[in-house]
Amino acid sequence: GENVEQHPSTLSVQEGDSAVIKCTYSDSASNYFPWYKQELGKRPQLIIDIRSNVGEKKDQRIAVTLNKTAKHFSLHITETQPEDSAVYFCAARTNTGNQFYFGTGTSLTVIP
Amino acid sequence: KAGVTQTPRYLIKTRGQQVTLSCSPISGHRSVSWYQQTPGQGLQFLFEYFSETQRNKGNFPGRFSGRQFSNSRSEMNVSTLELGDSALYLCASSLNVGGNTIYFGEGSWLTVV
Repeated sequence: GENVEQHPSTLSVQEGDSAVIKCTYSDSASNYFPWYKQELGKRPQLIIDIRSNVGEKKDQRIAVTLNKTAKHFSLHITETQPEDSAVYFCAARTNTGNQFYFGTGTSLTVIP
Repeated sequence: KAGVTQTPRYLIKTRGQQVTLSCSPISGHRSVSWYQQTPGQGLQFLFEYFSETQRNKGNFPGRFSGRQFSNSRSEMNVSTLELGDSALYLCASSLNVGGNTIYFGEGSWLTVV
């Protein structure tokens, strides 16, 4: 099955700096890659996603890039704010079924 | 539109007991999937239901089971609870099987003592 690896596991940045989280996947049949943000005690919430026919997608301060050849995708957060502090999960889904394979999460801390 | 609703939010059970968790998907969503979240293992897929049929199953023992009703609401059951079953159980819904984003509920925190 699919294997998703996520790095780093923890990340601290100064407010206003950028944060980058990287994920790799193993199954070339994976075609959909969402990112979820989970605040302490809350549900994972979708923040951005990308499909395999697109190389990059942006939404205000958040962007995701996908390199299908290398089988990796990254989350970029610019101008970080304290409210960006949370655990971020990447995921991959193959073109069969609705099963998502998640990375192990990155705990992001934005220092004011 | 209301989000995914899970009940109960918190529960404590004793080893050997069984537990049933409930999930109401977003209105109009017909696919419901369940995930177990633990600090050590992250988010792991349990199973997915669509039109009252299990479409996909993760690598969990047979003690973990589920079902879906005609109104798309879903339940999962864990029998003969073990300490290692302590986790956050997340339900997620999507419009259909495949091709759609999943949206999570707040989860049910299960502690087995």
